[in-house]
Amino acid sequence: GAGVSQSPSNKVTEKGKDVELRCDPISGHTALYWYRQSLGQGLEFLIYFQGNSAPDKSGLPSDRFSAERTGGSVSTLTIQRTQQEDSAVYLCASSFGGVLAKNIQYFGAGTRLSVL
Amino acid sequence: DQQVKQNSPSLSVQEGRISILNCDYTNSMFDYFLWYKKYPAEGPTFLISISSIKDKNEDGRFTVFLNKSAKHLSLHIVPSQPGDSAVYFCAASSPTSGTYKYIFGTGTRLKVLA
Repeated sequence: GAGVSQSPSNKVTEKGKDVELRCDPISGHTALYWYRQSLGQGLEFLIYFQGNSAPDKSGLPSDRFSAERTGGSVSTLTIQRTQQEDSAVYLCASSFGGVLAKNIQYFGAGTRLSVL
Repeated sequence: DQQVKQNSPSLSVQEGRISILNCDYTNSMFDYFLWYKKYPAEGPTFLISISSIKDKNEDGRFTVFLNKSAKHLSLHIVPSQPGDSAVYFCAASSPTSGTYKYIFGTGTRLKVLA
């Protein structure tokens, strides 16, 4: 597609349920990122995938959070046993890879997660 | 610990005047800085960037200034237009944390009044 696509755009769930958020990056982009934006906060880095390298998971807030990237393209962010503090907008971005290049990250519109 | 700070949550400017958005940082290892613009219900879009080897970068109506000694950068929009009304985020990265790992500020909401 032309841009980064995220689904669903909105998700309402009950506390304790698991949720899956999906990200389709821009075709040809080898790097993929997940961020979280809580109310009144900046974008918080969660996880980074680059090609076949081991992902950088240093931003994941707890072991309830996990992410996969299948076939070097689509990524799924899974939150298990959701808590109310998980309510936020989850943003995915992609870019051309390369550690040294100052690659611009292109963002999707995000998934707004509400945990009741 | 907020390494990138945008201390003004909002700013209102008259159309045609200059908008100045400010950003301060604490990590002296940051060597690359970016500004993103975000409209409601959309993802942030890249606006302009600057490397630490420069002190100014200009792109049309947008200019970013970097003052490394003060650990301060600013975005100037001249002239401001109503379509510039959005939330503006500054971001920074460093070689030590990974050039891909952007640290974002909390954003400044700019409102350009017609």
